[in-house]
Amino acid sequence: QQQVKQSPQSLIVQKGGISIINCAYENTAFDYFPWYQQFPGKGPALLIAIRPDVSEKKEGRFTISFNKSAKQFSLHIMDSQPGDSATYFCAASKPGGYQKVTFGIGTKLQVIP
Amino acid sequence: DTGVSQDPRHKITKRGQNVTFRCDPISEHNRLYWYRQTLGQGPEFLTYFQNEAQLEKSRLLSDRFSAERPKGSFSTLEIQRTEQGDSAMYLCASSPGPGRSYEQYFGPGTRLTVT
Repeated sequence: QQQVKQSPQSLIVQKGGISIINCAYENTAFDYFPWYQQFPGKGPALLIAIRPDVSEKKEGRFTISFNKSAKQFSLHIMDSQPGDSATYFCAASKPGGYQKVTFGIGTKLQVIP
Repeated sequence: DTGVSQDPRHKITKRGQNVTFRCDPISEHNRLYWYRQTLGQGPEFLTYFQNEAQLEKSRLLSDRFSAERPKGSFSTLEIQRTEQGDSAMYLCASSPGPGRSYEQYFGPGTRLTVT
């Protein structure tokens, strides 16, 4: 059972455009929602994260929008650049003794010149 | 660079052989995680250590898998009697203690190919 559903699985965006990746979750116990960026041959790198008490978080060209009632959140990459081409994973984590991260399936983003 | 390191980066082995991977976390991090990632999928949690104590194991971690963190620093993941289905990227992550344990920093992974 996929606890964090991510779409689309692949995305092609022109340079300068906006990349949008969407995620939905089922478990209302999740209270931390990170996004990871992974380049080929590398481990995932924490990009930006949000807690459900805020509806939006922005860091540079990356913005997370969060809709608690709909149990959905999304990543927007403004002014997308070829260097942003990577696989992006949304994820979710529950509070408690340890923070096992549950990942979505990933979105392969290609930014074309 | 004092990030998470993993060794080896690639391992090719024949079915039935045993393999062992090593992870060195960021030095001040007392929490360490192992994940497995197969092609086209997100990482899946395998196990978690707080200092030297293994506090959680996924059902994915069959009895052929064993992980240790003997002195609360580096960790090893051993797979005995490897099977072709074990072929995957094995990722290690570490995080700081309470208050920042949500921040997980991943190593580059060990790619295992079982022939």
